This record gives sequence, C-alpha cells and structure tokens, in this order.
Amino acid sequence: GAGVSQSPSNKVTEKGKDVELRCDPISGHTALYWYRQRLGQGLEFLIYFQGNSAPDKSGLPSDRFSAERTGESVSTLTIQRTQQEDSAVYLCASSSDRLYGYTFGSGTRLTVV
Amino acid sequence: DQQVKQNSPSLSVQEGRISILNCDYTNSMFDYFLWYKKYPAEGPTFLISISSIKDKNEDGRFTVFLNKSAKHLSLHIVPSQPGDSAVYFCAAIADQAGTALIFGKGTTLSVSS
Repeated sequence: GAGVSQSPSNKVTEKGKDVELRCDPISGHTALYWYRQRLGQGLEFLIYFQGNSAPDKSGLPSDRFSAERTGESVSTLTIQRTQQEDSAVYLCASSSDRLYGYTFGSGTRLTVV
Repeated sequence: DQQVKQNSPSLSVQEGRISILNCDYTNSMFDYFLWYKKYPAEGPTFLISISSIKDKNEDGRFTVFLNKSAKHLSLHIVPSQPGDSAVYFCAAIADQAGTALIFGKGTTLSVSS
C-alpha cells in the first residue's frame, strides 16, 4: 500500500482482556517498529523487526506484551491481561533504511477501562 | 533514564518569526539525529536529519544545528507559519548499535497569525 496501515484505529477494552493490534507496513520495507505514546509522554520504543533477524524486544515493558511479524509483511502486537496503564496510542512504523525516515501509521488508540 | 531530552514542553511564536526547538542527548554513541513532526490523530512524519559528522543541515525553512561537544541540537524554523503548529520530536540513533530510534518527549509548537 501507499502508507503504513494500522487497525483498529481505536480500541476500548476491559481490564484483564487480551488485545491484538495489527500493522501493515509499506511493501518492501524490511524494518518494522512498534512504539507507544502514553498521555503527555514521548514515543516509547517497544520492539523492532529487521528482515529475518531476531527481533529487538528490549523495549517491551512486561511479558504481557508480545509481537510477531510474518516475513516482511504484517505484524501483530498482542497485549495480554490488559491493565489501565496500557492505555496509549500504539504506533507502528516501517523503513527501508534504519537511518532514514521511518514512515509511521496513524496509530491505534487503546483505552483500557 | 532519558537518553534524548526535550526540556521545553511547549513553545509559542508569532507568524513570521523564528522558532527554535531544542534537544539534548546523553549517549555519546549517537551518530545520527532526526526531527519528526506530528499533527493530532496522525503518525509522526520525518522532517529533517543530521549526521554527527556535520554541524548544520538546511532544508528550506528548516535548519538543524548540532553541537557534539555540548550534546545538543536545535531545529530552527524561519519564518514560522501557522501550519507549523504541531508536536516536534527529536530522535537519535547509534548506527553501530543496530537499535531503533530513541525519541524525546516532544515540544508542542504553536504559531499564531
């Protein structure tokens, strides 16, 4: 596609439920990133996929968070047993070169009630 | 431990004047720096970047200055326009580390006409 697509755009879930967020990167982009932005905060790195290499999971805040990527395409971020502090905008980005502009999607706004 | 710091949460400027957004970093391994711009309900978009081998990079109304000894960079927008009103994020990366971009918390710029 023309840009990075994320779904859903908004998600309201009850505390304790699992959620799955989806990211479709730009075709041909080998790198894919997940970030989140909590209210009043900056962009917090979560996880980074580069080609067939093992992902960099160093930013995942707890073992309730996991992410997968199928080849060089779709990625899903799963949050198990959601907590209120998980409420944030989850942003996905892709790039063809790690040093140059990531292209971000519009994000998924997650609200845990 | 914040490696990229934007100490001013907000900045207000009149149309036509200069906007100066500041960013400090702590990791001396960072060798590439980027600025992103974000409008509400949209993902961040790449604006301008600079390599650590340079001290200035200019693109139209936007200029980024890098002072490596002070671990400081700044984004100058001249002249400022109302459409520049957005959140600006500073980001940095250490190329050899193979990691993802590290972002600051952002500065909200408001340009009044």
